[in-house]
Amino acid sequence: KAGVTQTPRYLIKTRGQQVTLSCSPISGHRSVSWYQQTPGQGLQFLFEYFSETQRNKGNFPGRFSGRQFSNSRSEMNVSTLELGDSALYLCASSLAGRDNEKLFFGSGTQLSVL
Amino acid sequence: EDQVTQSPEALRLQEGESSSLNCSYTVSGLRGLFWYRQDPGKGPEFLFTLYSAGEEKEKERLKATLTKKESFLHITAPKPEDSATYLCAFYGGATNKLIFGTGTLLAVQP
Repeated sequence: KAGVTQTPRYLIKTRGQQVTLSCSPISGHRSVSWYQQTPGQGLQFLFEYFSETQRNKGNFPGRFSGRQFSNSRSEMNVSTLELGDSALYLCASSLAGRDNEKLFFGSGTQLSVL
Repeated sequence: EDQVTQSPEALRLQEGESSSLNCSYTVSGLRGLFWYRQDPGKGPEFLFTLYSAGEEKEKERLKATLTKKESFLHITAPKPEDSATYLCAFYGGATNKLIFGTGTLLAVQP
């Protein structure tokens, strides 16, 4: 069974640009969550999607947005990039997004903003 | 505010030298405490879920325990392949999201 796939693996952008990251969950998983990981802050929750609906959102500015498609694939978008957005962006999937479900993470997209 | 603190931030062990990693949390109404392992360049990989104080789970050289205020990840006779960052996280309180600690970077030297 294929794991969670994130593309691209690495991305370099400049300030002010926008970026779109993609995540394909494990087949049959309907919940997709996104996390930002930085050395100082650890993993910070961005948002969670289930059946194409955003079910939960973290404390990030509106420049961070996402969506989920009918096949459960998800994208997140960051507009007007800032230097502080440089981070590893991780996507995780689970069957139904219940509290007691373990998350399966992808290897992440390493975003560098210059 | 619900939060989780992991200690130590980094730990260096000799192969075979057992130790414990700590995860302390402040939340009312814990619904689940999770341990993940993260290797460099990869996403976290699930290890354990604990739900109530007194619960213990084991996997190979790892054993996770839970009290009302903290969780421990005990590593018995570690090997170099156990080197990784170990993350704990919880669901609980008023939050509907998984809150992660900043991790413990474990290095096991041969």
